[in-house]
Amino acid sequence: DQQVKQNSPSLSVQEGRISILNCDYTNSMFDYFLWYKKYPAEGPTFLISISSIKDKNEDGRFTVFLNKSAKHLSLHIVPSQPGDSAVYFCAASARNTDKLIFGTGTRLQVFP
Amino acid sequence: GAGVSQTPSNKVTEKGKYVELRCDPISGHTALYWYRQSLGQGPEFLIYFQGTGAADDSGLPNDRFFAVRPEGSVSTLKIQRTERGDSAVYLCASSLDRGPVTEAFFGQGTRLTVV
Repeated sequence: DQQVKQNSPSLSVQEGRISILNCDYTNSMFDYFLWYKKYPAEGPTFLISISSIKDKNEDGRFTVFLNKSAKHLSLHIVPSQPGDSAVYFCAASARNTDKLIFGTGTRLQVFP
Repeated sequence: GAGVSQTPSNKVTEKGKYVELRCDPISGHTALYWYRQSLGQGPEFLIYFQGTGAADDSGLPNDRFFAVRPEGSVSTLKIQRTERGDSAVYLCASSLDRGPVTEAFFGQGTRLTVV
């Protein structure tokens, strides 16, 4: 049972445009959500997070939106840069737990 | 280095053998996590340590897997009687305090291949 789903395995975007990565979840107990970025042969790197009490969190070019009623979150990158090319993982955790449940990842390619 | 260090970076072993994977967390981080990432999947939680104790080992797939953190710093993940299905990248992460609210820093992983 995949509790965190990233239905798009890959996304290709032109440099300067907006990249939108989507994530859906099924567990209504999740109350904290994170996005990680992963380059080949490296471990995931924390990018941005959002608590369930918010619907938006912004950090520079990165913005995460949370729609609790739809159990959906998205990561917006604008403007996209070639260095953003990586695999992006959505992750979630439930209150009073210490583990992250990850999605399967979306491979983003930003081309010139 | 200042980051989470995992050794070895690659390990090839024969089916049925015993392996140990090591994780050196960031100095001062009390929380330590092990995850496993199979091909085409996201990281899957295995075990979480707070200090020396395993606070949550619900992700360990079976009793062939065991992890220790005797002094609250370095951790070793041990796999007995390895099977081909154990082949994956094993990721270690550490954070300053418990819970994912405090971001966890991941190591580069150990790629385990069981032949």
